[in-house]
Formats: sequence, structure tokens, C-alpha cells
Amino acid sequence: LAKTTQPISMDSYEGQEVNITCSHNNIATNDYITWYQQFPSQGPRFIIQGYKTKVTNEVASLFIPADRKSSTLSLPRVSLSDTAVYYCLVGSNYQLIWGAGTKLIIKP
Amino acid sequence: NAGVTQTPKFQVLKTGQSMTLQCAQDMNHEYMSWYRQDPGMGLRLIHYSVGAGITDQGEVPNGYNVSRSTTEDFPLRLLSAAPSQTSVYFCASSYSNGGGAGGYTFGSGTRLTVV
Repeated sequence: LAKTTQPISMDSYEGQEVNITCSHNNIATNDYITWYQQFPSQGPRFIIQGYKTKVTNEVASLFIPADRKSSTLSLPRVSLSDTAVYYCLVGSNYQLIWGAGTKLIIKP
Repeated sequence: NAGVTQTPKFQVLKTGQSMTLQCAQDMNHEYMSWYRQDPGMGLRLIHYSVGAGITDQGEVPNGYNVSRSTTEDFPLRLLSAAPSQTSVYFCASSYSNGGGAGGYTFGSGTRLTVV
């Protein structure tokens, strides 16, 4: 199973772009990479998912290099409301590995 | 559209008591899962179901039972509560397996304390 490693915490400022990287050296061929956002006292919320290359939606981008051993969640122009914990999930068919989460704090 | 609904939101149990955590989804998802979340431990899979009548164990199944009689409901039963089961429990559903296309929809959680 892939082991996922992500930074414990990060700080940034409103209006900046934030990039959070997840390392998953043992990712399997069939594994997807998914990112979730969690606010206190709430369940995780799906942000974005990818398999390879780059994926973009209305809230984030996900960059996956060719070797797929890492992935980077990019949040453009963050606001105070983006303060949350961000989780990387790697796997498929219930062989799933969650990262320990990155606590992102956005300052005014 | 309610999504995934969990009840109760908070519960305090005494050691040895049993209880059932309820989970219901209205998205017609085949796949449902139970996770527990502990500080510094991330999310750990307890049990999951790939459809009505089909369940399987996850990473930390001991002390918990599940059944899936309908597509909508996936209750989690604690057989004899122990302090080590103090945690926040999340139910999640998906139209494919959790790591596959589409990802999970999570409930808001049940905060359980066992004293």
C-alpha cells in the first residue's frame, strides 16, 4: 500500500496561492489521488481527484507528475475561509491510505 | 438533498454498554463506509459495504459490527463499549469505491465518549 506523507501545517496570507504537496512513493497503478478539506466539527469534504497530469475545477488544481510519486494541491487566491485541514487520500478498491492532514492557516 | 445523515451527533457511554450509530444516505450510492478519526491518527476505515447485504472489514474492525439491509442505511454497532473507542465516527458514501472516481460524501460525524 502507498504511504502518504504531507506537511503537518502551513501558513499563508489572504490572496496568495497555496500549494500543499503529498508524497506517495509506493502508489499503485490503479490508485487515484484525492484531496479533502475538513473544518472543525465537520466531516471531510471532497475537493478534487486525479489519476495523472493536471486536473482543475472551480476551487483547486491538482498537479501529478509523470511518476505519480507525489501530488500537489493548489489553492488559488486563498481567503480566511480556506483555513482548514487538508487530507490526501491515495488508493482504489478500498485499499486506501489517508495522509495525516495538513493544517492550513490563512492570515489576514 | 440531505446527503449523508448521522445520528446522534454526541453520545456518552459507560464501559460495557452497547449502542448503534445510525447512518442514512439519499443519493442512491452503493458504497458506504464507517471511519473513526482520532487526534494524530487521521481517518481509519472500520467497515465498509459495496451494496445491500454485502459488508467487509476495514483496518480497525474489532469491537464493531455492521449490516446493510437497504441501500440507504448502514448502521454501526458497538458491542461492548471500551474507552479506546472514544473517537469521532464518520459515515461516508460514494457511487464507486472510496478511492475510485468521484470520492466520498461524508456525514457530519458522531462524537462518542466512553467513560
